[in-house]
Amino acid sequence: QKEVEQDPGPLSVPEGAIVSLNCTYSNSAFQYFMWYRQYSRKGPELLMYTYSSGNKEDGRFTAQVDKSSKYISLFIRDSQPSDSATYLCAMREYGNKLVFGAGTILRVKS
Amino acid sequence: DAGITQSPRYKITETGRQVTLMCHQTWSHSYMFWYRQDLGHGLRLIYYSAAADITDKGEVPDGYVVSRSKTENFPLTLESATRSQTSVYFCASIDPGGNTEAFFGQGTRLTVV
Repeated sequence: QKEVEQDPGPLSVPEGAIVSLNCTYSNSAFQYFMWYRQYSRKGPELLMYTYSSGNKEDGRFTAQVDKSSKYISLFIRDSQPSDSATYLCAMREYGNKLVFGAGTILRVKS
Repeated sequence: DAGITQSPRYKITETGRQVTLMCHQTWSHSYMFWYRQDLGHGLRLIYYSAAADITDKGEVPDGYVVSRSKTENFPLTLESATRSQTSVYFCASIDPGGNTEAFFGQGTRLTVV
């Protein structure tokens, strides 16, 4: 069983829609939870980072962590065509490896 | 220029050959990682290093060798390349004293023929 599970999609939505991306994990030692965005032929870039359970908001993006359910989510409000990319969840134990999900391909249609 | 750089950006090699992918970072970050990215698999960890002379296996280490004699360099060697190692390889570094953000290189697209 993989430590981090993420549906690879693709997920196709119309412009302006609310997007929900999710990951589940099995390692209860994970303490840091991140979302990365990757455009085609580029390296991943950090989008959101959370340390504890709860919500964190940054503009149109909200990251949610539920440690009791081992479940994290990323919500994108008012989605734009420029949001079309691959979104990867990532998790880390303190002082240890950084593990990624498979990535979800998102396409926002104008 | 400050940052993390990979070389070469593109490489074609033949089955059975040894090939080394280079990774260099200028920040003196202690942690460095090598990932491969294949369609449907996301980023899979090959090896990582917590400091110079300390390395550990990730999810898919077979067929790869790493070394870290200096903090800033973390080369990845394919001892005898196979077609299944055709992939895009990313190197990353983390400064654990910061917010754990991983900084990625531009990637190396390796094709084994």
